[in-house]
Amino acid sequence: ETGVTQSPTHLIKTRGQQVTLRCSSQSGHNTVSWYQQALGQGPQFIFQYYREEENGRGNFPPRFSGLQFPNYSSELNVNALELDDSALYLCASSLSPGTHNEQFFGPGTRLTVL
Amino acid sequence: SQKIEQNSEALNIQEGKTATLTCNYTNYSPAYLQWYRQDPGRGPVFLLLIRENEKEKRKERLKVTFDTTLKQSLFHITASQPADSATYLCALEDDRDDKIIFGKGTRLHILP
Repeated sequence: ETGVTQSPTHLIKTRGQQVTLRCSSQSGHNTVSWYQQALGQGPQFIFQYYREEENGRGNFPPRFSGLQFPNYSSELNVNALELDDSALYLCASSLSPGTHNEQFFGPGTRLTVL
Repeated sequence: SQKIEQNSEALNIQEGKTATLTCNYTNYSPAYLQWYRQDPGRGPVFLLLIRENEKEKRKERLKVTFDTTLKQSLFHITASQPADSATYLCALEDDRDDKIIFGKGTRLHILP
């Protein structure tokens, strides 16, 4: 059984560019959630995907979008990058939606926007 | 407004003592509360979940309490060890929209 993996590990972009982050969920998990974690803060929920459909969204603008594929892996896309988008982006997979389920987090992608 | 507050940004505890971390919340009525551990540069790792009808939950040296009247959860690590040094995050269910909300975390340092 493999854990949650994310790529790339680190990324540097400039303001206005677009970025795609990738996440492979743990085997058997059909739900992926994405979080943004600024330095010294807790993770902030971006959105969740369940069986290839968005299943809830936090207070993030539409330039944050996502996809989930038939194998339950997922992508997070951010358009028109802003300096404040610099953060650790975490994905977490779980057996199903529902806040009672344990979430398994990946190591994160550190995004720096210059 | 709705808030989750975790006690002090950092906590220093002598090895062997019990570390107690606090999570207070306002304007939520969560059915569940979770605790995670996060090491620098890593993703959070799930530790324990406690339901609103459970007063206490234990796992090895860890104990969590959940007081829905006080709107508070306490997280205890007994016989603390330097390897327990990490940031500990509490997370609860936002009952309005079934989303998980995380606190900022408490950095715990266990001093040898």
